[in-house]
Amino acid sequence: AQKITQTQPGMFVQEKEAVTLDCTYDTSDPSYGLFWYKQPSSGEMIFLIYQGSYDQQNATEGRYSLNFQKARKSANLVISASQLGDSAMYFCAISGTSYGKLTFGQGTILTVHP
Amino acid sequence: NAGVTQTPKFQVLKTGQSMTLQCAQDMNHEYMSWYRQDPGMGLRLIHYSVGAGITDQGEVPNGYNVSRSTTEDFPLRLLSAAPSQTSVYFCASRGASGDPSYNEQFFGPGTRLTVL
Repeated sequence: AQKITQTQPGMFVQEKEAVTLDCTYDTSDPSYGLFWYKQPSSGEMIFLIYQGSYDQQNATEGRYSLNFQKARKSANLVISASQLGDSAMYFCAISGTSYGKLTFGQGTILTVHP
Repeated sequence: NAGVTQTPKFQVLKTGQSMTLQCAQDMNHEYMSWYRQDPGMGLRLIHYSVGAGITDQGEVPNGYNVSRSTTEDFPLRLLSAAPSQTSVYFCASRGASGDPSYNEQFFGPGTRLTVL
């Protein structure tokens, strides 16, 4: 079984500041992938970033980076230079050897203040 | 590419009615899955498929059936709708290991279902 824990129900950040959204995971699979998704108020699921368990480098995609600490089983999302449009719900998810399915956390609501 | 498409976008059912939520993808992905999202919560897996003819249960499969007769389509059937099935339903697809799209799970726009 796999589990994702997002301990921050809500986060606030000032525009142009960086913010870290926490994610810890639990899995017994030797190989797994970690995903972050953004869900704005319109409801669609927007893929942000992926980290494979054997990837040597932390993943980066534009203003998004994933701080992957395998020994601590954490996969925190860092958003640099926050924008008002970053206000949304953010979900961390994990896939294991059953690649067709993801297990999601409860999400973190991010609010960016001007 | 249309990506992952879902129909309908909205649906209202009465308790006991049955219906099928349609999902299709045009990316030739092996893996497809259905999730439900209840207010203020994360997504929970209903059923998933790792290829045509192969399906398996997820976390909350009761009251739902699936089949996968083609790579492209993965319909979700509600057998006898209950108010507890009021939710937003997302279909998703992902390429197999080695596929360029393996590192992303693509989601459809969702179906908002209300059961009265």
